[in-house]
Amino acid sequence: NAGVTQTPKFRILKIGQSMTLQCTQDMNHNYMYWYRQDPGMGLKLIYYSVGAGITDKGEVPNGYNVSRSTTEDFPLRLELAAPSQTSVYFCASSTPDRHEAFFGQGTRLTVV
Amino acid sequence: KNEVEQSPQNLTAQEGEFITINCSYSVGISALHWLQQHPGGGIVSLFMLSSGKKKHGRLIATINIQEKHSSLHITASHPRDSAVYICAAHPPIGGATNKLIFGTGTLLAVQP
Repeated sequence: NAGVTQTPKFRILKIGQSMTLQCTQDMNHNYMYWYRQDPGMGLKLIYYSVGAGITDKGEVPNGYNVSRSTTEDFPLRLELAAPSQTSVYFCASSTPDRHEAFFGQGTRLTVV
Repeated sequence: KNEVEQSPQNLTAQEGEFITINCSYSVGISALHWLQQHPGGGIVSLFMLSSGKKKHGRLIATINIQEKHSSLHITASHPRDSAVYICAAHPPIGGATNKLIFGTGTLLAVQP
């Protein structure tokens, strides 16, 4: 079982560059999430989606965009990378009752 | 003050010791997750519980809803248990948000 797959695992961006973090899940979960994890801090929710075509902002959405054209895929877009976006990013999906969560392996992003 | 607090933040133990990590929360929840994150690795869900106790191998998780407190115990600890352990509170189903509220994690190092 693939579960939740994130790509890339590592990336270095220059300030002002853009990139898309890919996330796909093969469990047919409606709920998907993007989190960022900063040192010494708990995971913070960036965006989430309750189903294809539906997305909503989390706690820290500024500087990011998402789309959900299919149930499987939930890409996260950084349009103008800033040093403050240096972080580890996790994609997750959850079961219909939203109780069991599955996380991707994470993407370590450095903006220089 | 964070809505989900973990203690201790850092824990060093000798192989074979019994370990307890605590999680207190100040919000209403429908469930609480315990997650494990190995250095440089992804996040794995260990337990989801809404009452009582769950056991999986050497890991035991308990929750006291009235006291808003959960504990994760590791019996006969081993160096491979070294990881960050994160608790996350799940808001009530049907509430205004799907957001998991994360603690900042407990860094456990088990020395041989």
